[in-house]
Amino acid sequence: KQEVTQIPAALSVPEGENLVLNCSFTDSAIYNLQWFRQDPGKGLTSLLLIQSSQREQTSGRLNASLDKSSGRSTLYIAASQPGDSATYLCLSGAGSYQLTFGKGTKLSVIP
Amino acid sequence: DAGVIQSPRHEVTEMGQEVTLRCKPISGHNSLFWYRQTMMRGLELLIYFNNNVPIDDSGMPEDRFSAKMPNASFSTLKIQPSEPRDSAVYFCASKDDRFSTTGELFFGEGSRLTVL
Repeated sequence: KQEVTQIPAALSVPEGENLVLNCSFTDSAIYNLQWFRQDPGKGLTSLLLIQSSQREQTSGRLNASLDKSSGRSTLYIAASQPGDSATYLCLSGAGSYQLTFGKGTKLSVIP
Repeated sequence: DAGVIQSPRHEVTEMGQEVTLRCKPISGHNSLFWYRQTMMRGLELLIYFNNNVPIDDSGMPEDRFSAKMPNASFSTLKIQPSEPRDSAVYFCASKDDRFSTTGELFFGEGSRLTVL
C-alpha cells in the first residue's frame, strides 16, 4: 500500500525566501504526482501535475520535481510572499483511483 | 469551465436528520470522487465513480452513507441518519480518464457539515 509523507508538517519562513517542500512515497510505481494548495475553509487548488515520464514542471514561481527512483518529489517556491501561506498537499497517482494524499505541509510566510 | 460545483457550502443539522450533498463535475470528466476531510484523519476517499458507475465504495463508513450518480453531470452523497461524528468537510473531485488514467484531479470548494 502506497504511503505518502510530507515533512515538515509546518514551516514558517520570512517573506522573500526561496523554499522547498518535500513529498516522499514508498511505491515508485506511480503514474503521476500532483501538488495542491489549500487555503483555510477552501477546496484544494491544483498547482502542478508531473507525469511519471517527466522530471519537473514549472508554473510561475513554482517548480515541482519528481524522482521516482528515490521516491521523492519537491515543490520549490521562489521569492515567497505572504499570499503563499497555505497548506500544500501532494498526491501520488497509480491508476484511475489509486490516489494517495500526503497530510500536507502548512506554510506561513511572515511579512 | 466553472469547475467542480458543490452545494450546499455549509450545512448545520441536528442528529438524526437526513443530509444530502450535491456535486456537479467538470463537463467531460468521467471520473468522480467523494472525499471527507477532518483534522484527525485528513482526506479520506469515500467513493469513486467511473462513467457514472460506482467502482469502489470501500471508504463509505457505514450503511448510513450512500452515493448516487444518475448522470454524467450530477452526483449526490446522502447521510441518513446523520450523527455528530459525521461533522467534516466533504469534497467532490473529478478528472478526465477517457483517454488516460493520469489526468489532473480537480476539487470543488467543499460542503462543511456540522451535525449537532
